[in-house]
Amino acid sequence: AQSVTQLDSHVSVSEGTPVLLRCNYSSSYSPSLFWYVQHPNKGLQLLLKYTSAATLVKGINGFEAEFKKSETSFHLTKPSAHMSDAAEYFCVVTQYSSASKIIFGSGTRLSIRP
Amino acid sequence: NAGVTQTPKFQVLKTGQSMTLQCAQDMNHNSMYWYRQDPGMGLRLIYYSASEGTTDKGEVPNGYNVSRLNKREFSLRLESAAPSQTSVYFCASLLGLAATSTDTQYFGPGTRLTVL
Repeated sequence: AQSVTQLDSHVSVSEGTPVLLRCNYSSSYSPSLFWYVQHPNKGLQLLLKYTSAATLVKGINGFEAEFKKSETSFHLTKPSAHMSDAAEYFCVVTQYSSASKIIFGSGTRLSIRP
Repeated sequence: NAGVTQTPKFQVLKTGQSMTLQCAQDMNHNSMYWYRQDPGMGLRLIYYSASEGTTDKGEVPNGYNVSRLNKREFSLRLESAAPSQTSVYFCASLLGLAATSTDTQYFGPGTRLTVL
């Protein structure tokens, strides 16, 4: 069975400092991994995805994530936080050959302090 | 190109009332999904449709029915609403068929439903 765990329900950082949102997964097969962002009262939007190509994935708005198979992790990082980054972030794992097996993490709320 | 649209944006129901949430996509996607979002629980899959003419249950299907009206439209019906169905509902679509899981999902803006 596959699962995804977002290790922090809430992260607060100061503007201009680095952001780290942690995600661990388990999957019986080679997974595809995604990060989505949800701004208040909006739908979810793709930030980036890993689909077995390069292990370091760059996304929109300066975010990137590194797939580490040995640690079963897919942490999301950004060197310098901006006020507009305040949102909810979801780590998602899918299992190849079954688009119905799309599992969402419980989400991490990112707050940015001025 | 509107992407994924949902109607209505907000709805208040009384216990026992019925309603249908509408979803449409204009990206010629094959797969469509209905999720509910509750605080601290991420998104949970209610039903999905891998292609026009097929529907399947997800993680939390009880109390809901769906119809894949055509390739563009996928509706979610609550036959007899209960307070436990108070939630935010998201529709999503994905280009591939059920066998393809590397595609990006595109989400609608959501419907906020309150059942009193």
